[in-house]
Order: sequence, then C-alpha cells, then structure tokens
Amino acid sequence: AQKITQTQPGMFVQEKEAVTLDCTYDTSDQSYGLFWYKQPSSGEMIFLIYQGSYDEQNATEGRYSLNFQKARKSANLVISASQLGDSAMYFCASDQTGANNLFFGTGTRLTVIP
Amino acid sequence: EAQVTQNPRYLITVTGKKLTVTCSQNMNHEYMSWYRQDPGLGLRQIYYSMNVEVTDKGDVPEGYKVSRKEKRNFPLILESPSPNQTSLYFCASSPHVSESSYNEQFFGPGTRLTVL
Repeated sequence: AQKITQTQPGMFVQEKEAVTLDCTYDTSDQSYGLFWYKQPSSGEMIFLIYQGSYDEQNATEGRYSLNFQKARKSANLVISASQLGDSAMYFCASDQTGANNLFFGTGTRLTVIP
Repeated sequence: EAQVTQNPRYLITVTGKKLTVTCSQNMNHEYMSWYRQDPGLGLRQIYYSMNVEVTDKGDVPEGYKVSRKEKRNFPLILESPSPNQTSLYFCASSPHVSESSYNEQFFGPGTRLTVL
C-alpha cells in the first residue's frame, strides 16, 4: 500500500501569484506514478498532471508543474499566475506502475483572493 | 462524448433500505472502480474490477457489493445501508493496465448519498 500526506488543509494565494501545494508519499514500490486532481465546488474530479517515478524531468501542463524530489519523496504541485477559477480542493494521489488503484491524500483547499 | 456516468446524482434514503448506484462508461475501459470521499479522509477505494467478472476489494469494502457482468457497467450495491455510509461516491474507469505507461482514471460526476 502507499500513503500520501498533504499537510496543508487550506491555503490562500493572491490572484496572479504562484502557489505551491505540498505532497509527500511513502511507498516501497520501485515504479509508481504521482497524480494531482482538482475538485471544484461542483464536485467533479479533474485530472491535472502526472509524474512517473522514473521521469527525470518535472512534469508541466500549462500553469501547472510538479516539483518532483524523489529522494525526499515529495511531489509538490506548483500553480503559476493563480486565477480565481483555481479556487478548489486539490488532491495528490499515487499508484504503482502497472496497477490502477489510486491512493489519495486528504486534500488541500486553495482559495484565490482577488 | 467519452464519459463516465453515475445515477442517481443525489440520494436520501433510510437505514436498511437496499439501494444501487449505477456506473457506466462508454470508453471500452477494462478497469473500473468505486471510491468514497469523506471530509478529512480524501478518497478511499471501495472495490475495483480489472475486467468483466473480475472484482476485488479495495481499502473500505465493508457494507458494499459490486458486480461486473458487462464491460461498460459497474454498479455499487448497498444491501443494508447505514448512516456511516453517508458519503460522496465516485466511479472511475481507465484503460487496460500497462506496465509502461500511466493509467489516467476518468471519474464520474459523483453521487451524494445520505442515509438517515
């Protein structure tokens, strides 16, 4: 099994500023994946970004980037140029490569202030 | 449109009254699963299915049943619901498990269940 820890229950960021959401993981698997999902107030789960454990470069998707530090077992999400629409719950998750079972953290609620 | 659908979206019921939450996907995915989301606990997996007629327990299977008779459908059954099963439920699907690539899971819109 894998364990995901998100230590920030809530975060605030000024519009247009960058923000980092923390995620650490604990796994004995050699090959695994790390995911970030966004959950707006409407409730749906929106896939944001993925990082494979063997990927040497940090993943980026538009304004989202994943700061992957394998030795520290951290996979922080960086959102640049925050927008009001970024206000949502954010979940970090992991799986073992080749398996589909996702293990989620408890989430961080991000609020973007105008 | 490729999607995962769940019905109903909202349900209020009483303790002990059997209910089924349906889940259907139109992407021909082999893998389907159910999660429940509770405040402060994130999402936890209830059951999953690697293919038709193949199901297995996740982390919190007690009080739930599933079946996978067809590839596209994966209903969640609560034989005797209790108040501690009040939660937000998500169905998800993904393509065939691959050793060399990641498997993005596609989530349904969620079903908010209240058991009185």
